[in-house]
Amino acid sequence: AQTVTQSQPEMSVQEAETVTLSCTYDTSESNYYLFWYKQPPSRQMILVIRQEAYKQQNATENRFSVNFQKAAKSFSLKISDSQLGDTAMYFCAFMKGETSGSRLTFGEGTQLTVNP
Amino acid sequence: GAVVSQHPSRVICKSGTSVKIECRSLDFQATTMFWYRQFPKQSLMLMATSNEGSKATYEQGVEKDKFLINHASLTLSTLTVTSAHPEDSSFYICSARTSLNTEAFFGQGTRLTVV
Repeated sequence: AQTVTQSQPEMSVQEAETVTLSCTYDTSESNYYLFWYKQPPSRQMILVIRQEAYKQQNATENRFSVNFQKAAKSFSLKISDSQLGDTAMYFCAFMKGETSGSRLTFGEGTQLTVNP
Repeated sequence: GAVVSQHPSRVICKSGTSVKIECRSLDFQATTMFWYRQFPKQSLMLMATSNEGSKATYEQGVEKDKFLINHASLTLSTLTVTSAHPEDSSFYICSARTSLNTEAFFGQGTRLTVV
């Protein structure tokens, strides 16, 4: 079974600064996907960024980037130029890369607060 | 991105009654839908996975007779909480995926309060 661990229950950052959220996972699978989801106060889950395990290049989406260390099973999220709207719960998630029926396994979440 | 509509967003029901929550994929065919439960400040807990036209697969510890899931079409799945009790009060979220896409799209969630 897969496990996803987020060791930082809460973090805060000043507006315009950079913050990194940590995530580690455990799996014996060779083909899988990793995700970061954002859940703002509205509680709507929003995909932030996705990484395919077979890709060595780290994924980037505008101000969001990941540091994917496959051997270490680490998948951290870096948010640059933090904005007030980034305040949310962030979940790291794992999915086996087999079929559409593959489930997402979520970490415990990190509550990020961006301060003005 | 694709849109998943979940309805209602909030519902209050009396203990002992049943309540149905709908999850619709508006602009794509969802071959697989997932139902989650989320307690305050906690992660999403998968309750069940359903494929169109098949019986749902429930996670260990989830009562299939209490949480009835129907996925009768490629655009609609329903979760019915039967004989609801106050301990069933929670936030329920659905998500949907196609067979061609790794991304799961989420509904807005339903806050259920049983009084």
